[in-house]
Amino acid sequence: SYVLTQPPSVSVAPGETARLTCGGDDIGTKSVHWYQRRPGQAPVLVIDADGDRPSGIPERFSDSNSGNTATLTISRVEAGDEADYYCQVWDRSSDHWVFGGGTKLTVL
Amino acid sequence: EVQLVESGGGLVQPGGSLRLSCAASGFTFVSYAMTWVRQAPGKGLEWVSVISGRGDGPYYADSVKGRFTISRDNSKSTVYLQMSSLRGDDTAIYYCAKVTTIRAHVGPFDYWGQGTPVTVSS
Repeated sequence: SYVLTQPPSVSVAPGETARLTCGGDDIGTKSVHWYQRRPGQAPVLVIDADGDRPSGIPERFSDSNSGNTATLTISRVEAGDEADYYCQVWDRSSDHWVFGGGTKLTVL
Repeated sequence: EVQLVESGGGLVQPGGSLRLSCAASGFTFVSYAMTWVRQAPGKGLEWVSVISGRGDGPYYADSVKGRFTISRDNSKSTVYLQMSSLRGDDTAIYYCAKVTTIRAHVGPFDYWGQGTPVTVSS
C-alpha cells in the first residue's frame, strides 16, 4: 500500500519559517491534505489540497506539492503552532485513506 | 455549528465486541461521507474506515477489514463502527470525522469529534 514519509521532528525558532515535508511515490499527482493535532485535542484540518484554509487558520500556513514531496510551510512561526502535523492522501490503488507518520513541530 | 459526538468506547476483553456511535448535527448529514480515524497511545493517526453519504463503499483499513463494520443511519444523523474480534492493538482513541464531500474518496476531513477511548485488555 501507499506510504507517506514524514520526518519525526522539526524545530524552529519563533518568527522563523517551518517547512514540513511529506514524501511519497509520485505524490505530486495526488491531492494532499494537512492536519494539526495539539496534545489532548482532536485533529484540525489546516489546509486542503487546493490550498484552501478553513476559517480560523491563518495565512501563514501554505502548501506545495511536486514530484515526490509535498510541503507544509508555516511562516512566522508562533508558540501556538507547536503540534503534530500529518499529511494525508487517498490511495486509489488500495481504496485507502493514508496518513503520514506525523511530524512533531517544536518551537524553540 | 457542526458537532460530532462519539460514544460507546470503554474497556473490553480481547476477542470482544464494541459498537461506537457518532451523533452529528449542524449540517445535512446525508450529503457528506463520514469516516473513523484512530490514534493508539504514542502513535500517529491511523485511518480506519469511511462510508459515503449514501452508504456506498464502504472502505476499510487492512488492519480492521473483516472485523469492523461501518454503517450510518441518515434518519438519525449517526454513523456507527461495529468492532468485533478486538485485539490489544485496537486500543486507541477513536475519532469520527466529516468528509467535505458526499464521496468516500474525495475531500479532506473538515470536522472531527473529540474522540472516544477504547481499551482492549484482560
